[in-house]
Amino acid sequence: AQSVTQLGSHVSVSEGALVLLRCNYSSSVPPYLFWYVQYPNQGLQLLLKYTSAATLVKGINGFEAEFKKSETSFHLTKPSAHMSDAAEYFCAVMGQAGTALIFGKGTTLSVSS
Amino acid sequence: DVKVTQSSRYLVKRTGEKVFLECVQDMDHENMFWYRQDPGLGLRLIYFSYDVKMKEKGDIPEGYSVSREKKERFSLILESASTNQTSMYLCASSLATSFFYEQYFGPGTRLTVT
Repeated sequence: AQSVTQLGSHVSVSEGALVLLRCNYSSSVPPYLFWYVQYPNQGLQLLLKYTSAATLVKGINGFEAEFKKSETSFHLTKPSAHMSDAAEYFCAVMGQAGTALIFGKGTTLSVSS
Repeated sequence: DVKVTQSSRYLVKRTGEKVFLECVQDMDHENMFWYRQDPGLGLRLIYFSYDVKMKEKGDIPEGYSVSREKKERFSLILESASTNQTSMYLCASSLATSFFYEQYFGPGTRLTVT
């Protein structure tokens, strides 16, 4: 069965620092992986997705993620954090039935000035 | 742009009441989903629907039912609300043409059951 594990429920960085949010997956089939962001009092917005076309995926707002099969990881990074990046981030994998996503428990990113 | 709307942003109901949460999407998507979001638990799938009048149970369907009479509308029903159903409810929709699709989310309904 498919699952994702997000390491660290809360990550704090300074403005301008590297952002690294960790996600490991488990999948019995080639995975389709997603990162979503949720700003306060809003729904989820897609940041980026991996669909096997390229292992390094670029998304919106300067975020990118690298698919590493050997490590079963899909970590999200941004070279320089901005105050507006403060939000909750969810990693997700496509379920085996191919219809519903399976979400991690989320990582809250705090950015300090 | 895809738009998914939910009928209420905030809702307060009493224990035992029947509660309806409505979701409407405007992009002719086949799939629609209801999730529940709780702190530390992430999003958990309650029900999804891949066509009109079709539904499938998700991971936590107990205490909930759904209705999809029209393609654009997916309703979540709490037959008899209980305090442990106090949560944020998120609706989403997606195309069904491939596994590459993304889900588009509504803004959520924060339900409080007292």
